[in-house]
Amino acid sequence: AQTVTQSQPEMSVQEAETVTLSCTYDTSESNYYLFWYKQPPSRQMILVIRQEAYKQQNATENRFSVNFQKAAKSFSLKISDSQLGDTAMYFCAFMITNFNKFYFGSGTKLNVKP
Amino acid sequence: DAGVTQSPTHLIKTRGQQVTLRCSPISGHKSVSWYQQVLGQGPQFIFQYYEKEERGRGNFPDRFSARQFPNYSSELNVNALLLGDSALYLCASSLGSGTDYGYTFGSGTRLTVV
Repeated sequence: AQTVTQSQPEMSVQEAETVTLSCTYDTSESNYYLFWYKQPPSRQMILVIRQEAYKQQNATENRFSVNFQKAAKSFSLKISDSQLGDTAMYFCAFMITNFNKFYFGSGTKLNVKP
Repeated sequence: DAGVTQSPTHLIKTRGQQVTLRCSPISGHKSVSWYQQVLGQGPQFIFQYYEKEERGRGNFPDRFSARQFPNYSSELNVNALLLGDSALYLCASSLGSGTDYGYTFGSGTRLTVV
């Protein structure tokens, strides 16, 4: 079975500080992609960052970076210099290569406080 | 360019009724996927269509059906509605099918079954 676990239902961080969101997953497949999506109150899922499982180098996108530990099946998201606009639900997900569906976690609600 | 458009944005139906949700993908995108997001959970895969053919089906009852039209827009139909069908229904479009393509989500249709 393919599962994604986000153990932090809600987190808070002060503006300009750094926060790390945790994610673990389980799959017997060896080729897959990992994602972090942001869902603000507008409800649209917005891609934050993507990591190919075959790449050892951690992906970065501006203030967002990941810590990918394949053996531990861990994929955490670090947000640096947090901004008020980062307030949203964050979902960890993966997609098995050449398959067509995302497996999502239950999400972490992030509150950035001024 | 217009993003993924879903209609209606909100809908209230009575148990036992039928509902049709609509999705227009980004221009040029040939694949549409449907996800159900129950309150407090991550999205769950329902269907994917590519070039008007079903390419994947999630673990949902036969009351759920979908189709894709020649212009690549899609409809999701749910028959004999249950209270548990209350959820946000998300549509995602992509150029193709599989992990090589980026997926863009719409803002969803909020379905309430009373």
